[in-house]
Amino acid sequence: AQTVTQSQPEMSVQEAETVTLSCTYDTSESDYYLFWYKQPPSRQMILVIRQEAYKQQNATENRFSVNFQKAAKSFSLKISDSQLGDAAMYFCAYRRGRRSNYQLIWGAGTKLIIKP
Amino acid sequence: DAGVTQSPTHLIKTRGQQVTLRCSPKSGHDTVSWYQQALGQGPQFIFQYYEEEERQRGNFPDRFSGHQFPNYSSELNVNALLLGDSALYLCASSADRGAGYGYTFGSGTRLTVV
Repeated sequence: AQTVTQSQPEMSVQEAETVTLSCTYDTSESDYYLFWYKQPPSRQMILVIRQEAYKQQNATENRFSVNFQKAAKSFSLKISDSQLGDAAMYFCAYRRGRRSNYQLIWGAGTKLIIKP
Repeated sequence: DAGVTQSPTHLIKTRGQQVTLRCSPKSGHDTVSWYQQALGQGPQFIFQYYEEEERQRGNFPDRFSGHQFPNYSSELNVNALLLGDSALYLCASSADRGAGYGYTFGSGTRLTVV
């Protein structure tokens, strides 16, 4: 069974600095997708960034980028120029690429604190 | 453009009762998934509906059931509520155009069972 592990329950960073959140996963599949979602106090899960396993190039969305190490099964999220609005729970999620399997498998989350 | 809408936002029920949660997907989306998120944990997949049929189910008992309507909206029903059913229930929608495009989530329904 696939699993997703986030080993950092909480991280803090000074505003305008850079922070990296860690995620590892376990799978025997070669075709899959990885996601980072943000959950602010409003509770809504917001997609931050996605990565397709067959693409070697790391995904980037403005201040957010990932370091995807497929052999190591590692998928870390880097947030540059941290802003107060980035404070939230961050979840890493995995989905198999097969059309017969649609569920997202989630890590336990990392609480990100931004210090002004 | 409205995103995913869930109702109600909060709900308090007594053990043994039944509850119905509702979800309207984002415009243009035809697939609805339901997740249970216990306090301090990541979400757990309950099931997904597509074309008014349950397409996939997670490890949840039969007390959890659902329905999808022709307009793609969906309901989650939980019978014989247990204290352990207290959680945030998230609805996510997507367009069935292939894997990997991610899901759009609602703000959830906070269910408290007393």
